[in-house]
Amino acid sequence: AQTVTQSQPEMSVQEAETVTLSCTYDTSESDYYLFWYKQPPSRQMILVIRQEAYKQQNATENRFSVNFQKAAKSFSLKISDSQLGDAAMYFCAYRSDAGGTSYGKLTFGQGTILTVHP
Amino acid sequence: DGGITQSPKYLFRKEGQNVTLSCEQNLNHDAMYWYRQDPGQGLRLIYYSQIVNDFQKGDIAEGYSVSREKKESFPLTVTSAQKNPTAFYLCASSIDRGPKRDTDTQYFGPGTRLTVL
Repeated sequence: AQTVTQSQPEMSVQEAETVTLSCTYDTSESDYYLFWYKQPPSRQMILVIRQEAYKQQNATENRFSVNFQKAAKSFSLKISDSQLGDAAMYFCAYRSDAGGTSYGKLTFGQGTILTVHP
Repeated sequence: DGGITQSPKYLFRKEGQNVTLSCEQNLNHDAMYWYRQDPGQGLRLIYYSQIVNDFQKGDIAEGYSVSREKKESFPLTVTSAQKNPTAFYLCASSIDRGPKRDTDTQYFGPGTRLTVL
């Protein structure tokens, strides 16, 4: 079974600075997808960014980018020019693309609470 | 307005009662999912359905039941057999293009907070 680990329960950053959130995962599969979701106080889960495992190029979405290291099974999220609205719980998630009974399931990490200081 | 709706937002249940949480989507998505979130933890999969009239158990299906009679709807029943049902429940949906093809992202509803009195 796949597992996802976020080793930083809490992180903080000054407004306009850069912060990196860590995520590691364990899998024996070669085909999969990785995601970062944001959960603000409203508790709505919002997709931040996604990465296909077969792509070597790191995904970017405006101020958000990832450092995907497939061999190391690492998938960190970098937030540049942090804004007050970035404050939330961030979840890393793994989705199998291997087919079979595990296909389509999202496995989540425990989450990292990000605080942004003005 | 396209999206996923969940109702009610807050739900209170007495011990021994069954309750049903609603999840509706008008995104024409094939697959739908139910997750449970406990305080300070990530989401755990309860049930999922990739097609109408078919669904699969997730990691924590005991004490829950689902149905998928329509593509748009995937209600979750929390039965009296669920020993610790107080939690935040999230429904999600995605287009299902099948494995080995570009898969789409899961989009989430706003959630239902269930409290057992």
